[in-house]
Amino acid sequence: DIQMTQSPSSVSASVGDTVNISCRTSQHINSWLAWYQQKPGTAPKLLIYTASNLQRGVPSRFRGSGFGTDFTLTITSLQPDDFATYYCQQINNFPLTFGGGTKVDI
Amino acid sequence: QVTLRESGPALVRPTQTLTLTCDFSGFSLSTSGMCVSWIRQPPGQALEWLALVDWDDEKYYSTSLKTRLTLSKDTSKNQVVLTMTNMDPVDTATYYCARTPYHFDTTAYFTIDYWGRGTLVTVSS
Repeated sequence: DIQMTQSPSSVSASVGDTVNISCRTSQHINSWLAWYQQKPGTAPKLLIYTASNLQRGVPSRFRGSGFGTDFTLTITSLQPDDFATYYCQQINNFPLTFGGGTKVDI
Repeated sequence: QVTLRESGPALVRPTQTLTLTCDFSGFSLSTSGMCVSWIRQPPGQALEWLALVDWDDEKYYSTSLKTRLTLSKDTSKNQVVLTMTNMDPVDTATYYCARTPYHFDTTAYFTIDYWGRGTLVTVSS
């Protein structure tokens, strides 16, 4: 199985800040990585797929980058609606493993 | 409009078998490239991918849980059923089903683009 390691596990930020979340994989996965946002009590929402492609309807302040084993989700100009937990997932090899999550709070 | 809804027991006794049903609309599991996944999330913990069934009725399972999981689909009913045997309190979680299309244009990958609201299953005697 491909192991997914996210860091940090939590980050405190303020409205307007830029936040970077890292995801490292135990094997090379090209660009086969997705990012999800989850708010308490709700299902996750797809933000980015294939490392850098924005899902339809997702604001452009979310940006994904990386290739191989190192990936980053960058949120610029943090908005109140962005305080949530973020997960990465590798999307090509079974099992489709998730990272441990990064909570972004105020 | 794509929707998915999970249903099943809220409480299961240890050692029992859990059966969860995913009813969906807005897409067909007979369409090439279409798949449905199950994912779970223990309270306060991370997401865990469990299983996937594809349009060709191929099934894929979590390595650690594959001996306990079985997927089936009924394309005519737009339904996917997950069974998990020998339930334990550590299996207490919210269980989600989700649409998981397989994209095979210039490269090949899955995305989980629509999720159900999830159903909380508690395992306790």
